[in-house]
Amino acid sequence: AQTVTQSQPEMSVQEAETVTLSCTYDTSESDYYLFWYKQPPSRQMILVIRQEAYKQQNATENRFSVNFQKAAKSFSLKISDSQLGDAAMYFCAYRGSNDMRFGAGTRLTVKP
Amino acid sequence: NAGVTQTPKFQVLKTGQSMTLQCAQDMNHEYMSWYRQDPGMGLRLIHYSVGAGITDQGEVPNGYNVSRSTTEDFPLRLLSAAPSQTSVYFCASSLGTPRDEQFFGPGTRLTVL
Repeated sequence: AQTVTQSQPEMSVQEAETVTLSCTYDTSESDYYLFWYKQPPSRQMILVIRQEAYKQQNATENRFSVNFQKAAKSFSLKISDSQLGDAAMYFCAYRGSNDMRFGAGTRLTVKP
Repeated sequence: NAGVTQTPKFQVLKTGQSMTLQCAQDMNHEYMSWYRQDPGMGLRLIHYSVGAGITDQGEVPNGYNVSRSTTEDFPLRLLSAAPSQTSVYFCASSLGTPRDEQFFGPGTRLTVL
């Protein structure tokens, strides 16, 4: 079965600085998709960024970018110019043919 | 569009009681799913559906039943509630392919005493 591991339960960053959240996964599938979701205290799940496994180019969405290393099965999220509103739980997720697996999450604190 | 709606927002049950968590979406999405979120464990897939009349088990299906009679609705039934089912439950929907963004409902916090 596919597994997703987030090894950093908590991270903190100074406002305007850059932070990287780590994620690794395990799969035997060749075609899959990877996602980062943000969950603020409101509990609402919000898609931050997605990556198709067949694309070598790393996805970017404004201040959010990923470092996707397919051979290493690594999918880290970089947040640049961190803002107070970025404070939240961040979940890495894997989706294969139909199954979707989430990591345990990383709680990000942003210090003013 | 209301998106994905879930009712109730909060529920307290006694062990052995049954109940149904409601989920509805108005985006004509084929794929719908139920997750539970427990502290330190992220979200775990309970059941999912790829269309009306089609359901399948996820990672943690025991103790839960689902059915999908319409595209819009995907209720989750707890047959005989147990304290281990205390959790926050999320319903999500998306278009039919794995690359599609899943849209999540606001969640239901369930406590089983």
